[in-house]
Amino acid sequence: AQSVTQLGSHVSVSEGALVLLRCNYSSSVPPYLFWYVQYPNQGLQLLLKYTSAATLVKGINGFEAEFKKSETSFHLTKPSAHMSDAAEYFCAVSQAYGNKLVFGAGTILRVKS
Amino acid sequence: NAGVTQTPKFQVLKTGQSMTLQCAQDMNHNSMYWYRQDPGMGLRLIYYSASEGTTDKGEVPNGYNVSRLNKREFSLRLESAAPSQTSVYFCASRMTVGDYGYTFGSGTRLTVV
Repeated sequence: AQSVTQLGSHVSVSEGALVLLRCNYSSSVPPYLFWYVQYPNQGLQLLLKYTSAATLVKGINGFEAEFKKSETSFHLTKPSAHMSDAAEYFCAVSQAYGNKLVFGAGTILRVKS
Repeated sequence: NAGVTQTPKFQVLKTGQSMTLQCAQDMNHNSMYWYRQDPGMGLRLIYYSASEGTTDKGEVPNGYNVSRLNKREFSLRLESAAPSQTSVYFCASRMTVGDYGYTFGSGTRLTVV
């Protein structure tokens, strides 16, 4: 079985500060990993995905994530937060050839001016 | 625009009423999914259809039924709505082979009173 743990249901940063959203996964087989963003009253938008190529993955809006197998982690970072980054972020895992995407509980990012 | 279309966007039901949530995608994707989103719990898989003609239970299937009408359409039915089914419902689709990106609809916000 696969699972995802997102540490911190709420994260608050100042505008211009580093954003770090934590995600740890559990998978018995090589995983595919995803980060999605959800703005208020909207659907989910894919930020980036890891599918066994480069371990450092760059996504949209300046976000990136690094796959660390030894730590079973896939943390999301952005060097400088913008007010427009305020949203809820979800980490998700699937098997390489599986049919199910399993989500973490989500982390709400607040950006202070 | 290409994507996943869900109808309706909002619905209020009385306990015991039935309704069907509609989902259609125009990307020629093979697999389709229904998730529910509840605060602090992320998205949980209700049912999925790996390909036209097949459906399988996800993590929380009780109280729901699905129909994969054709390759484009995947509907979710609540036969006798309960307050515990108050949630935001998302439909998603993906190609399955060579593409692990899931595309999500904008959601249906359902309230059962």
